Amino acid sequence: DTAVSQTPKYLVTQMGNDKSIKCEQNLGHDTMYWYKQDSKKFLKIMFSYNNKELIINETVPNRFSPKSPDKAHLNLHINSLELGDSAVYFCASSQELGWQPQHFGDGTRLSIL
Amino acid sequence: AQSVTQLGSHVSVSEGALVLLRCNYSSSVPPYLFWYVQYPNQGLQLLLKYTSAATLVKGINGFEAEFKKSETSFHLTKPSAHMSDAAEYFCAVIQGAQKLVFGQGTRLTINP
Repeated sequence: DTAVSQTPKYLVTQMGNDKSIKCEQNLGHDTMYWYKQDSKKFLKIMFSYNNKELIINETVPNRFSPKSPDKAHLNLHINSLELGDSAVYFCASSQELGWQPQHFGDGTRLSIL
Repeated sequence: AQSVTQLGSHVSVSEGALVLLRCNYSSSVPPYLFWYVQYPNQGLQLLLKYTSAATLVKGINGFEAEFKKSETSFHLTKPSAHMSDAAEYFCAVIQGAQKLVFGQGTRLTINP
Protein backbone atom coordinates (compact mmCIF):
# COMPACT_ATOMS: atom_id res chain seq x y z
CA ASP A 1 0.00 0.00 0.00
CA THR A 2 1.30 3.43 -0.93
CA ALA A 3 1.80 5.54 2.20
CA VAL A 4 1.28 8.96 0.59
CA SER A 5 -0.52 8.93 -2.73
CA GLN A 6 -1.17 11.83 -5.06
CA THR A 7 -3.41 12.06 -8.08
CA PRO A 8 -2.97 12.78 -10.85
CA LYS A 9 0.68 12.01 -11.53
CA TYR A 10 0.72 14.27 -14.60
CA LEU A 11 -1.44 17.29 -15.32
CA VAL A 12 -1.23 19.18 -18.59
CA THR A 13 -3.56 22.13 -18.99
CA GLN A 14 -3.92 25.59 -20.46
CA MET A 15 -3.32 28.95 -18.85
CA GLY A 16 -6.34 30.30 -17.07
CA ASN A 17 -7.82 26.92 -16.19
CA ASP A 18 -8.61 25.69 -12.68
CA LYS A 19 -7.25 22.34 -11.50
CA SER A 20 -7.03 20.23 -8.36
CA ILE A 21 -4.48 17.77 -7.03
CA LYS A 22 -5.52 15.23 -4.42
CA CYS A 23 -3.41 13.73 -1.67
CA GLU A 24 -4.14 10.93 0.76
CA GLN A 25 -1.99 9.34 3.45
CA ASN A 26 -2.65 6.04 5.20
CA LEU A 27 0.01 6.43 7.88
CA GLY A 28 -2.28 7.85 10.54
CA HIS A 29 -0.24 11.07 10.61
CA ASP A 30 -1.57 14.32 12.02
CA THR A 31 0.31 16.73 9.75
CA MET A 32 0.30 17.13 5.97
CA TYR A 33 2.18 19.43 3.62
CA TRP A 34 2.36 20.71 0.08
CA TYR A 35 5.70 21.51 -1.55
CA LYS A 36 6.60 22.99 -4.91
CA GLN A 37 9.72 21.81 -6.78
CA ASP A 38 10.81 24.05 -9.62
CA SER A 39 12.73 23.16 -12.75
CA LYS A 40 16.05 23.56 -10.90
CA LYS A 41 14.91 20.99 -8.32
CA PHE A 42 14.55 23.61 -5.61
CA LEU A 43 11.97 22.52 -3.04
CA LYS A 44 9.89 24.99 -1.08
CA ILE A 45 7.08 24.46 1.35
CA MET A 46 3.73 25.97 0.41
CA PHE A 47 1.32 24.87 3.15
CA SER A 48 1.10 22.66 6.18
CA TYR A 49 -1.96 21.42 8.03
CA ASN A 50 -2.06 19.89 11.47
CA ASN A 51 -5.26 18.08 12.45
CA LYS A 52 -7.07 19.83 9.58
CA GLU A 53 -5.91 23.25 10.79
CA LEU A 54 -3.77 25.48 8.55
CA ILE A 55 -0.41 26.06 10.21
CA ILE A 56 1.92 27.32 7.48
CA ASN A 57 1.01 29.46 4.49
CA GLU A 58 4.24 30.48 2.80
CA THR A 59 3.25 33.64 0.92
CA VAL A 60 1.65 31.57 -1.78
CA PRO A 61 -0.68 33.44 -4.17
CA ASN A 62 -4.28 33.10 -3.06
CA ARG A 63 -5.02 31.35 -6.36
CA PHE A 64 -3.74 28.31 -4.45
CA SER A 65 -6.22 27.00 -1.92
CA PRO A 66 -5.55 23.91 0.16
CA LYS A 67 -8.41 21.96 1.67
CA SER A 68 -8.21 19.29 4.33
CA PRO A 69 -11.54 17.43 4.70
CA ASP A 70 -9.97 15.12 7.27
CA LYS A 71 -6.55 14.28 8.69
CA ALA A 72 -5.82 11.77 5.95
CA HIS A 73 -6.47 14.10 3.02
CA LEU A 74 -5.02 17.38 1.85
CA ASN A 75 -6.07 18.61 -1.57
CA LEU A 76 -4.69 21.55 -3.52
CA HIS A 77 -6.90 23.62 -5.78
CA ILE A 78 -5.34 26.11 -8.16
CA ASN A 79 -7.37 28.83 -9.89
CA SER A 80 -6.45 30.75 -13.03
CA LEU A 81 -3.30 28.77 -13.76
CA GLU A 82 -0.26 30.72 -14.94
CA LEU A 83 2.86 29.64 -16.82
CA GLY A 84 4.92 30.05 -13.66
CA ASP A 85 2.85 27.42 -11.92
CA SER A 86 4.53 24.73 -13.99
CA ALA A 87 6.40 22.58 -11.48
CA VAL A 88 6.25 19.31 -9.59
CA TYR A 89 4.02 19.47 -6.54
CA PHE A 90 4.69 17.10 -3.68
CA CYS A 91 2.43 16.14 -0.85
CA ALA A 92 3.99 14.91 2.39
CA SER A 93 2.93 13.88 5.87
CA SER A 94 4.50 13.51 9.29
CA GLN A 95 3.35 12.11 12.61
CA GLU A 96 3.18 15.60 14.06
CA LEU A 97 4.60 19.08 13.55
CA GLY A 98 8.23 19.69 14.21
CA TRP A 99 11.19 17.40 13.82
CA GLN A 100 9.36 14.22 12.83
CA PRO A 101 10.51 12.88 9.44
CA GLN A 102 8.25 13.58 6.52
CA HIS A 103 6.97 10.97 4.07
CA PHE A 104 6.55 12.17 0.50
CA GLY A 105 4.26 11.22 -2.33
CA ASP A 106 5.65 10.68 -5.82
CA GLY A 107 4.65 14.12 -7.01
CA THR A 108 2.32 15.67 -9.57
CA ARG A 109 4.00 17.18 -12.60
CA LEU A 110 1.96 20.20 -13.65
CA SER A 111 2.61 21.61 -17.12
CA ILE A 112 0.91 24.79 -18.27
CA LEU A 113 0.62 25.30 -22.02
CA ALA B 1 16.51 31.59 10.85
CA GLN B 2 17.91 28.13 10.34
CA SER B 3 19.12 27.29 6.84
CA VAL B 4 21.36 24.82 5.00
CA THR B 5 23.79 25.19 2.12
CA GLN B 6 24.88 22.31 -0.04
CA LEU B 7 28.28 22.73 -1.62
CA GLY B 8 28.36 21.41 -5.16
CA SER B 9 25.27 21.07 -7.30
CA HIS B 10 26.76 18.04 -9.04
CA VAL B 11 29.12 15.36 -7.73
CA SER B 12 30.47 12.56 -9.88
CA VAL B 13 32.29 9.51 -8.50
CA SER B 14 33.34 6.12 -9.81
CA GLU B 15 31.58 2.97 -8.75
CA GLY B 16 33.24 1.70 -5.58
CA ALA B 17 34.66 5.10 -4.64
CA LEU B 18 33.86 7.16 -1.57
CA VAL B 19 30.80 9.38 -1.76
CA LEU B 20 30.98 12.72 0.05
CA LEU B 21 28.14 15.21 -0.21
CA ARG B 22 28.58 18.44 1.71
CA CYS B 23 26.06 20.32 3.78
CA ASN B 24 26.64 23.28 6.09
CA TYR B 25 23.96 24.62 8.37
CA SER B 26 23.24 27.98 9.93
CA SER B 27 21.44 27.91 13.25
CA SER B 28 21.57 29.72 16.55
CA VAL B 29 20.00 26.77 18.33
CA PRO B 30 20.77 23.03 18.13
CA PRO B 31 19.36 22.06 14.76
CA TYR B 32 17.35 19.09 13.58
CA LEU B 33 19.01 18.03 10.33
CA PHE B 34 17.99 15.58 7.63
CA TRP B 35 19.25 14.04 4.42
CA TYR B 36 16.70 13.01 1.81
CA VAL B 37 17.23 11.25 -1.52
CA GLN B 38 15.13 11.70 -4.64
CA TYR B 39 15.33 9.10 -7.39
CA PRO B 40 14.14 10.12 -10.87
CA ASN B 41 10.40 10.70 -11.09
CA GLN B 42 9.89 9.86 -7.45
CA GLY B 43 9.26 11.67 -4.21
CA LEU B 44 11.81 12.25 -1.48
CA GLN B 45 12.86 9.42 0.81
CA LEU B 46 14.45 9.94 4.21
CA LEU B 47 18.07 8.72 4.38
CA LEU B 48 18.85 9.76 7.94
CA LYS B 49 18.18 12.38 10.59
CA TYR B 50 20.13 14.13 13.34
CA THR B 51 18.21 14.99 16.49
CA SER B 52 21.13 15.54 18.90
CA ALA B 53 21.20 11.97 20.23
CA ALA B 54 24.50 11.02 18.55
CA THR B 55 26.85 12.96 16.30
CA LEU B 56 27.41 10.07 13.89
CA VAL B 57 24.14 9.05 12.33
CA LYS B 58 23.69 5.91 10.29
CA GLY B 59 21.03 5.79 7.64
CA ILE B 60 19.66 3.49 4.99
CA ASN B 61 21.56 2.09 2.00
CA GLY B 62 24.94 2.34 3.76
CA PHE B 63 24.92 6.13 4.13
CA GLU B 64 25.97 7.99 7.24
CA ALA B 65 26.46 11.59 8.29
CA GLU B 66 28.45 13.25 11.01
CA PHE B 67 27.26 16.34 12.86
CA LYS B 68 30.20 18.66 13.54
CA LYS B 69 29.21 21.68 15.56
CA SER B 70 32.65 23.30 15.28
CA GLU B 71 32.38 23.25 11.49
CA THR B 72 28.57 23.70 11.33
CA SER B 73 28.55 20.75 8.95
CA PHE B 74 26.48 17.64 8.39
CA HIS B 75 28.18 15.94 5.45
CA LEU B 76 26.81 12.72 3.97
CA THR B 77 29.17 9.85 3.19
CA LYS B 78 29.14 6.33 1.85
CA PRO B 79 32.34 4.25 1.69
CA SER B 80 31.65 2.58 -1.65
CA ALA B 81 29.32 3.97 -4.32
CA HIS B 82 26.89 1.77 -6.22
CA MET B 83 25.28 2.57 -9.53
CA SER B 84 21.93 2.56 -7.74
CA ASP B 85 23.05 5.55 -5.62
CA ALA B 86 22.67 7.89 -8.60
CA ALA B 87 20.02 10.40 -7.51
CA GLU B 88 19.44 13.91 -6.20
CA TYR B 89 20.32 14.41 -2.53
CA PHE B 90 18.87 17.10 -0.30
CA CYS B 91 20.04 18.33 3.06
CA ALA B 92 17.32 19.94 5.17
CA VAL B 93 16.81 21.64 8.52
CA ILE B 94 13.75 22.28 10.67
CA GLN B 95 13.14 26.02 10.88
CA GLY B 96 11.05 27.59 13.62
CA ALA B 97 10.15 24.14 14.99
CA GLN B 98 7.64 23.74 12.18
CA LYS B 99 9.03 24.07 8.68
CA LEU B 100 11.43 21.86 6.74
CA VAL B 101 13.82 24.01 4.72
CA PHE B 102 15.84 22.31 2.01
CA GLY B 103 19.23 22.99 0.49
CA GLN B 104 19.47 23.40 -3.25
CA GLY B 105 20.26 19.72 -3.81
CA THR B 106 23.27 17.80 -5.12
CA ARG B 107 22.99 15.51 -8.10
CA LEU B 108 25.14 12.40 -7.63
CA THR B 109 26.35 10.62 -10.75
CA ILE B 110 28.10 7.25 -10.56
CA ASN B 111 30.56 6.33 -13.31
CA PRO B 112 31.01 2.64 -14.15
